[in-house]
Amino acid sequence: KAGVTQTPRYLIKTRGQQVTLSCSPISGHRSVSWYQQTPGQGLQFLFEYFSETQRNKGNFPGRFSGRQFSNSRSEMNVSTLELGDSALYLCASLYGTGGGDTQYFGPGTRLTVL
Amino acid sequence: KQEVTQIPAALSVPEGENLVLNCSFTDSAIYNLQWFRQDPGKGLTSLLLIQSSQREQTSGRLNASLDKSSGRSTLYIAASQPGDSATYLCAVINAGNMLTFGGGTRLMVKP
Repeated sequence: KAGVTQTPRYLIKTRGQQVTLSCSPISGHRSVSWYQQTPGQGLQFLFEYFSETQRNKGNFPGRFSGRQFSNSRSEMNVSTLELGDSALYLCASLYGTGGGDTQYFGPGTRLTVL
Repeated sequence: KQEVTQIPAALSVPEGENLVLNCSFTDSAIYNLQWFRQDPGKGLTSLLLIQSSQREQTSGRLNASLDKSSGRSTLYIAASQPGDSATYLCAVINAGNMLTFGGGTRLMVKP
């Protein structure tokens, strides 16, 4: 099976712009979660989607949003970019719910905000 | 609120040593604990998943243990190799599929 894929792998944006990142989970997986990784804060949970519904949301401002399509692919959007949004954005997929399954991560999208 | 701590933050050892990485968490009501490896600038690779009802899991030279009551997990790496150099992260799940991560242990294995 193909692994989790994320596009694009690298992005450079300027403050005030918006950006959309994409994540395709492993075939058959219905849950997609997004995480932000920075040197200062480490890995932080953004949100999780399961069967096109947001199930959990982390403590991030409303500028961060996401959605999931019927084929389980997910996108996250960040509007009005700030310098502090520069980070590695990782998505994870797993089959079910309830926390019993292994989560598989993609390679990440490196976002740089200038 | 769940908090996960990993000690030490960095570790440098000569090749061939056996080593132990530590992970502690404040809320013992977890569903599972997962250990990951991350190479610089890359995504996370899952190493081991321990369900809350399990005490340990093994994969090759890796062995992870879980003591829920004390809020601790250890990752044991036998006969370390330079290729094991990476950052090791532990993460727990309390509800849904949300992982709470520790800060990681940066491991350097010297030839």
